Amino acid sequence: AQKVTQAQTEISVVEKEDVTLDCVYETRDTTYYLFWYKQPPSGELVFLIRRNSFDEQNEISGRYSWNFQKSTSSFNFTITASQVVDSAVYFCAIARGGAQKLVFGQGTRLTINP
Amino acid sequence: NAGVTQTPKFQVLKTGQSMTLQCAQDMNHNSMYWYRQDPGMGLRLIYYSASEGTTDKGEVPNGYNVSRLNKREFSLRLESAAPSQTSVYFCASSEWGGPNEKLFFGSGTQLSVL
Repeated sequence: AQKVTQAQTEISVVEKEDVTLDCVYETRDTTYYLFWYKQPPSGELVFLIRRNSFDEQNEISGRYSWNFQKSTSSFNFTITASQVVDSAVYFCAIARGGAQKLVFGQGTRLTINP
Repeated sequence: NAGVTQTPKFQVLKTGQSMTLQCAQDMNHNSMYWYRQDPGMGLRLIYYSASEGTTDKGEVPNGYNVSRLNKREFSLRLESAAPSQTSVYFCASSEWGGPNEKLFFGSGTQLSVL
């Protein structure tokens, strides 16, 4: 069975600090997909990024970056120069090849204080 | 730009009552999903519909039924509500149901069962 662990339940930082959200996954599949979703206070989950198991290249999108390491089964998310608008709950998730059945982590509540 | 629309947004039920949560998407997506979100547990898949006319159980289907009314609409029914079904319910859709696809979520229904 697949599993995603986000050990950080809550993180609180001051604006402009860098912050890393950890995600560790478990799977026996060789083909799988990893995702990050953002849930702002409005409640609706928004897709941020996906990665397939054959692509370990890190990705940067503006202030957001993702570090995928198969050796440690981790897919961490870093926000550089955090802003108040980054305050949200962030979910890491995994889907196995062949079916879109996401397994979510518990989520990390990120609060950016002005 | 409605995307995925869920109704109602809030609902309070007494134990044993029944109700149906409605979901509609206007993106011409083939696959639709129902998740529940509980504190500390992330989102868990209740049921999904890979395409019109098909439905299948997810991780936590007990106590629920679903109907894929047409390509646009996917409803979730609680026949006899229990306090354990107090949760936030999210409907989602994806284009084809592939494991690498991103999901589009509705804004959620907060359900309390007393």
